Amino acid sequence: GEDVEQSLFLSVREGDSSVINCTYTDSSSTYLYWYKQEPGAGLQLLTYIFSNMDMKQDQRLTVLLNKKDKHLSLRIADTQTGDSAIYFCAERRDFGNEKLTFGTGTRLTIIP
Amino acid sequence: DGGITQSPKYLFRKEGQNVTLSCEQNLNHDAMYWYRQDPGQGLRLIYYSQIVNDFQKGDIAEGYSVSREKKESFPLTVTSAQKNPTAFYLCASSSGQAKPGNQPQHFGDGTRLSIL
Repeated sequence: GEDVEQSLFLSVREGDSSVINCTYTDSSSTYLYWYKQEPGAGLQLLTYIFSNMDMKQDQRLTVLLNKKDKHLSLRIADTQTGDSAIYFCAERRDFGNEKLTFGTGTRLTIIP
Repeated sequence: DGGITQSPKYLFRKEGQNVTLSCEQNLNHDAMYWYRQDPGQGLRLIYYSQIVNDFQKGDIAEGYSVSREKKESFPLTVTSAQKNPTAFYLCASSSGQAKPGNQPQHFGDGTRLSIL
């Protein structure tokens, strides 16, 4: 199982919460990451969660991890126009190696 | 400020031509990575290097070559053997210490390669 899967598109009204989902297949994942990519730019690390945690909150961002179902989500509270971007989840599978496996990315569109 | 610099931002390749993409980092990181990004396919790993003078193939290495002669630099050559090179190329680095703590990858701003 190599795949990390995400929905390709999500549209949310400004001020609502956005929830971006990710499923992964490797039960040996150590860290799971969320990156943000704005148009024409590189990836910016948003947040991460260690595999023995269930939840992590950082200002408007909440990460939930369900290890049993191999499901990761990123909730963005009070979504703003500046949150429009592609969001990638990524898993690190090995403590001895910092290689990451990325999902396909979810393009978040904000509706005014 | 420490960071990763990719150049050029835009690059055009003629048929049968090799082109080299530059990636430089001043984060004192041991590990460096090259990814290719195509719409709807996420990031796919081309090559990575965990230490100077050593590198390994990623998932899509065919048609590409790299070198790692200096810790700061990890150039990627897109050869004429790569028949579909049009894509956005991203370089990243991480500490490479492989400690149990969180050592995320940091990214450059990318190079967009197109075919003339």
